Amino acid sequence: DTGVSQDPRHKITKRGQNVTFRCDPISEHNRLYWYRQTLGQGPEFLTYFQNEAQLEKSRLLSDRFSAERPKGSFSTLEIQRTEQGDSAMYLCASSGLAGEETQYFGPGTRLLVL
Amino acid sequence: AQTVTQSQPEMSVQEAETVTLSCTYDTSENNYYLFWYKQPPSRQMILVIRQEAYKQQNATENRFSVNFQKAAKSFSLKISDSQLGDTAMYFCAFRGGSGGANSKLTFGKGITLSVRP
Repeated sequence: DTGVSQDPRHKITKRGQNVTFRCDPISEHNRLYWYRQTLGQGPEFLTYFQNEAQLEKSRLLSDRFSAERPKGSFSTLEIQRTEQGDSAMYLCASSGLAGEETQYFGPGTRLLVL
Repeated sequence: AQTVTQSQPEMSVQEAETVTLSCTYDTSENNYYLFWYKQPPSRQMILVIRQEAYKQQNATENRFSVNFQKAAKSFSLKISDSQLGDTAMYFCAFRGGSGGANSKLTFGKGITLSVRP
């Protein structure tokens, strides 16, 4: 396994369209995180899964955002009715069982909403 | 809620010199984890070093070391023998120790480090 992967790497969409991003964590990791990073800023937490259970959602995650991890493996993040303010880098990270607290990040999906 | 502060937006260092990046944080927890991540231009974020709050000994990874001052809530990163490949944005991050809702990372705003040849 070569690490966390994300697809697509870049996405350009028009305002009002729906977009979906995918994250594949490191295979033995049961925890998966989504973060959003705007230019020149640190990542901000969006949501977190342990196996298939979504355990926490940030206030940043409006009703237009939904995330799933149906089989406890890969995860998807969907944004409905995109707005220009959604333009950002969306980062996925994974970590192992309790006791291994380091999160490993994927390359991110850069979203541009026109 | 935890906060992480990186007050220096940019720093520059000559190749082969030593540079220290500052980070302070605020928390009411006693057990937690601190991290420095590196994000090169247009490349993914990678872990540089981590520190467990219960450990008194400062973490070291090759040319990278930290100065962890728990009482002062300070966590600085020292890079020795700076190399051109160290040019990147560096983020300080906090993670609570009790798991569950504390699993998320809280990041500072980052500092852009430039290594001059």
